[in-house]
Amino acid sequence: GAVVSQHPSRVICKSGTSVKIECRSLDFQATTMFWYRQFPKQSLMLMATSNEGSKATYEQGVEKDKFLINHASLTLSTLTVTSAHPEDSSFYICSAIGDLNQPQHFGDGTRLSIL
Amino acid sequence: DQQVKQNSPSLSVQEGRISILNCDYTNSMFDYFLWYKKYPAEGPTFLISISSIKDKNEDGRFTVFLNKSAKHLSLHIVPSQPGDSAVYFCAASGRPTGANNLFFGTGTRLTVIP
Repeated sequence: GAVVSQHPSRVICKSGTSVKIECRSLDFQATTMFWYRQFPKQSLMLMATSNEGSKATYEQGVEKDKFLINHASLTLSTLTVTSAHPEDSSFYICSAIGDLNQPQHFGDGTRLSIL
Repeated sequence: DQQVKQNSPSLSVQEGRISILNCDYTNSMFDYFLWYKKYPAEGPTFLISISSIKDKNEDGRFTVFLNKSAKHLSLHIVPSQPGDSAVYFCAASGRPTGANNLFFGTGTRLTVIP
């Protein structure tokens, strides 16, 4: 089946640090990747959608200068949380699709903790 | 505003019995519904889906029922097995393709007791 790998699984860092999270599709080419965020006791919320080779589309309320998304190849998308602050602490998870008629396949997520 | 709601945060069921997980939605434009299962420290795994043109979809022990007029869907697992213990997320989309925003519920933690 389709496998999506996300790295790192957990990050703890100081306020002001920039953090990069990678999302890779291991056995298929991902035409579209999605980045979600989940706060405690809340549902997964879409942050942005990225298509290979083009700029990401951000959901309302998500700062594109804060959350930089790069989808440089058909197997890799990165999310960089720039100058992270404690309020950015959350669970970030990516998903990917290769075929528009298939459901999204998710990575295992990244737990980000900003001190 | 939460457009997809799972009002039961947890459910416990005896092994062999039926598990019924419920989901309600508010947006009448949703056309495609999915259930994902999530184990600890792993990402959600797709389980089963249903298009709004159907009212039932079955895959082995898993059956999803859709009641569009009530904006309600449910996942039935029968017979329930201990390995089914996980968090189940209901999700909805405006179109039946993968390349669309999924709106998720907050999940229901299912515990199947041996």
